[in-house]
Amino acid sequence: EAQVTQNPRYLITVTGKKLTVTCSQNMNHEYMSWYRQDPGLGLRQIYYSMNVEVTDKGDVPEGYKVSRKEKRNFPLILESPSPNQTSLYFCASSDREGQPQHFGDGTRLSIL
Amino acid sequence: GDSVTQMEGPVTLSEEAFLTINCTYTATGYPSLFWYVQYPGEGLQLLLKATKADDKGSNKGFEATYRKETTSFHLEKGSVQVSDSAVYFCALSGYNQGGKLIFGQGTELSVKP
Repeated sequence: EAQVTQNPRYLITVTGKKLTVTCSQNMNHEYMSWYRQDPGLGLRQIYYSMNVEVTDKGDVPEGYKVSRKEKRNFPLILESPSPNQTSLYFCASSDREGQPQHFGDGTRLSIL
Repeated sequence: GDSVTQMEGPVTLSEEAFLTINCTYTATGYPSLFWYVQYPGEGLQLLLKATKADDKGSNKGFEATYRKETTSFHLEKGSVQVSDSAVYFCALSGYNQGGKLIFGQGTELSVKP
């Protein structure tokens, strides 16, 4: 079954404690992205990757890092989380530009 | 830059009512347009898409037509069901933007029996 898998689904943590949200896709897609969803703002792109070792900033990259060492994986790293990063995060992938993206089920992060 | 504007919610309808959710966009070139749906507690699912002007996307009784002259992509359904209650997002994907989706703010739909 084609899917994008994120872990964890829920996390409550404290300010400053480094965390990583993993994302894996099994569709051999080139493009992968991270979005955050906040009420009234829709979804905003954090980072994206067009292929292995190729990543670039989206619209709201501050406070986040990513890596793309393998095609299937695209982890999101919060080196020093802060309360304003409390949000619902989605990983997505697509096989090329202009095509629909497949979304994971989301990760709800609460930073206290 | 590119942007998407969709009608604010929440929208509350009775079962079997007609649904329209307005979506307009601003973009350079010829973006692809999408409607995604998010059911409570779930991720986003593609509902329908259109990749060029005058294309009509359709799925599960929902339709939307890519109108370049009015830069619109309104979502319609002739008869909604309680199971259609969800948040609907209009989105575009422009050329040479790394596959980025630009979303509207979402419209919550609630259908009452």
